Amino acid sequence: AQSVTQLDSQVPVFEEAPVELRCNYSSSVSVYLFWYVQYPNQGLQLLLKYLSGSTLVESINGFEAEFNKSQTSFHLRKPSVHISDTAEYFCAVSEGGSEKLVFGKGTKLTVNP
Amino acid sequence: DAGITQSPRYKITETGRQVTLMCHQTWSHSYMFWYRQDLGHGLRLIYYSAAADITDKGEVPDGYVVSRSKTENFPLTLESATRSQTSVYFCASTRQRSSYEQYFGPGTRLTVT
Repeated sequence: AQSVTQLDSQVPVFEEAPVELRCNYSSSVSVYLFWYVQYPNQGLQLLLKYLSGSTLVESINGFEAEFNKSQTSFHLRKPSVHISDTAEYFCAVSEGGSEKLVFGKGTKLTVNP
Repeated sequence: DAGITQSPRYKITETGRQVTLMCHQTWSHSYMFWYRQDLGHGLRLIYYSAAADITDKGEVPDGYVVSRSKTENFPLTLESATRSQTSVYFCASTRQRSSYEQYFGPGTRLTVT
């Protein structure tokens, strides 16, 4: 069965610093990968996704993630974070084209001034 | 453009009572999902539905019942609430299987006393 591991439950950083949120998955078949973001007291929103093609995917607000099949990873990065990036980030996997997603436990990113 | 809404947003109920959480989407999306979010567990799928009158169990279905008589509504019922069902519940929908992006409602915070 597929599973998703987010290695850090909390990541505190200072504003304008770079950040990496780590995500590893386990699956024996092809996967689609996602990062969702949850701002305080809100539902989740899709940040970016990898379905096929280029292994590097980008979001409109400066985040990027790279699919690494050999390491079964999909880490999320941003070169310079803002206070407004403070949120919880969830990595999710769809196995074999399933409509169901399996989520990691989340990483709470706190950006401090 | 209402999107996907949940009601109530907050609910306090007693152990043993039946409670129904409502989910309504205005996009005519085929797929709908119910998740619960608990600290340390991330999001876990309770039930999902591929279309009206088609539902299936997710990872944690015990103690919950769903129905989907209309495409736009997907209510979740706790037949006899227990304290372990205290959680934040999210409803989500997606247009079709190959879309993969799930759109989330704002959530219902349920407390069982």
